Amino acid sequence: AQSVAQPEDQVNVAEGNPLTVKCTYSVSGNPYLFWYVQYPNRGLQFLLKYITGDNLVKGSYGFEAEFNKSQTSFHLKKPSALVSDSALYFCAVRDSNSGYALNFGKGTSLLVTP
Amino acid sequence: DSGVTQTPKHLITATGQRVTLRCSPRSGDLSVYWYQQSLDQGLQFLIQYYNGEERAKGNILERFSAQQFPDLHSELNLSSLELGDSALYFCASSEGGTPKGPNYGYTFGSGTRLTVV
Repeated sequence: AQSVAQPEDQVNVAEGNPLTVKCTYSVSGNPYLFWYVQYPNRGLQFLLKYITGDNLVKGSYGFEAEFNKSQTSFHLKKPSALVSDSALYFCAVRDSNSGYALNFGKGTSLLVTP
Repeated sequence: DSGVTQTPKHLITATGQRVTLRCSPRSGDLSVYWYQQSLDQGLQFLIQYYNGEERAKGNILERFSAQQFPDLHSELNLSSLELGDSALYFCASSEGGTPKGPNYGYTFGSGTRLTVV
């Protein structure tokens, strides 16, 4: 099955500093990769996706992600973190072996401190 | 509002009972996916329907079943409930199949929080 891994359970960053949330993937063929954010007691909100094209993908709320084929990574980044960015972030890959369902990583909790 | 509607938002029931969760997909989407989110298992794919037909199964228990109706809404049935079934259940929808344009994606509902007591 196609899968993603998020190696960090939690990332802490000070407000105003750049942030990175890591994701690596294991896919046969071309990967379709996604980032979602979940705020407490809320659903999953789409941030950005990579299907094809430019390796640098820009998404919602100032987030961007860099697709790196040689390192099989799709790290989420933001140049300047806000306290309101504190949430749970999920990387996901479309799994062609499961009816094109998304397979999610275990999630990374981002805490931005003032 | 994401366009995917899930009802009810909260459900509290006793062990051994049966419940039905409902999902209405975003307009135009043919695929519906059900996910379970729990603290220990993370986000687990349960089952997918495409235009009324079951398309794929994930880690779905035999006590769970689902269907998609002609109007494309879907229901997830959970029976003989156990304490461990307490979780947040999400529905997502997509146009299905291979991407046909730049708007391809998966839209999630706000979830149903199931508590089994």
